[in-house]
Amino acid sequence: QKEVEQDPGPLSVPEGAIVSLNCTYSNSAFQYFMWYRQYSRKGPELLMYTYSSGNKEDGRFTAQVDKSSKYISLFIRDSQPSDSATYLCAMSAISNTGKLIFGQGTTLQVKP
Amino acid sequence: KAGVTQTPRYLIKTRGQQVTLSCSPISGHRSVSWYQQTPGQGLQFLFEYFSETQRNKGNFPGRFSGRQFSNSRSEMNVSTLELGDSALYLCASRSTGAPQETQYFGPGTRLLVL
Repeated sequence: QKEVEQDPGPLSVPEGAIVSLNCTYSNSAFQYFMWYRQYSRKGPELLMYTYSSGNKEDGRFTAQVDKSSKYISLFIRDSQPSDSATYLCAMSAISNTGKLIFGQGTTLQVKP
Repeated sequence: KAGVTQTPRYLIKTRGQQVTLSCSPISGHRSVSWYQQTPGQGLQFLFEYFSETQRNKGNFPGRFSGRQFSNSRSEMNVSTLELGDSALYLCASRSTGAPQETQYFGPGTRLLVL
């Protein structure tokens, strides 16, 4: 069983929809939770990060962490065709090792 | 500031050969991490270098190695290539003292092993 599970999709939504992306994890040592966006043929780009539990909002993006359920989410409001990409969740333990554990990634398509 | 650069962008090798990939971090960043991305396994951590020292290593065979130079540039080497080594190899850099979640990725080197 992988430490981080993420539904690979693909997920297809109409423009303007609210998108919900989720990951579950098994390692209770994880303290930092990130969401990356990866366009085709590009490297991952950091979108959001959260330390421990709670919510964080940045424009159209909201990240939620529920450590009691070992579950994290990314919500995208008013989705745009330019949001079409692969979204990767990533996590790390508090020890400063430079090591991120990634989910498989969810492919999102936003149709005009 | 220039981003993380990786060279070459594309490589084709045959089984048994070896390959060296290069990564130049963002100016001032001293930590460089390497990852392998494949459709089946996703993004997997290879190793991290800081101030020319390997600080952490993932679960990859010894054929995968790396090093970091005094200017923070890093190279990774894969010896005796296997078909399964075909992947996108990504490096990421982070500034000293910054939380490890603030890793900035390069565009990757796409390696095809025939």
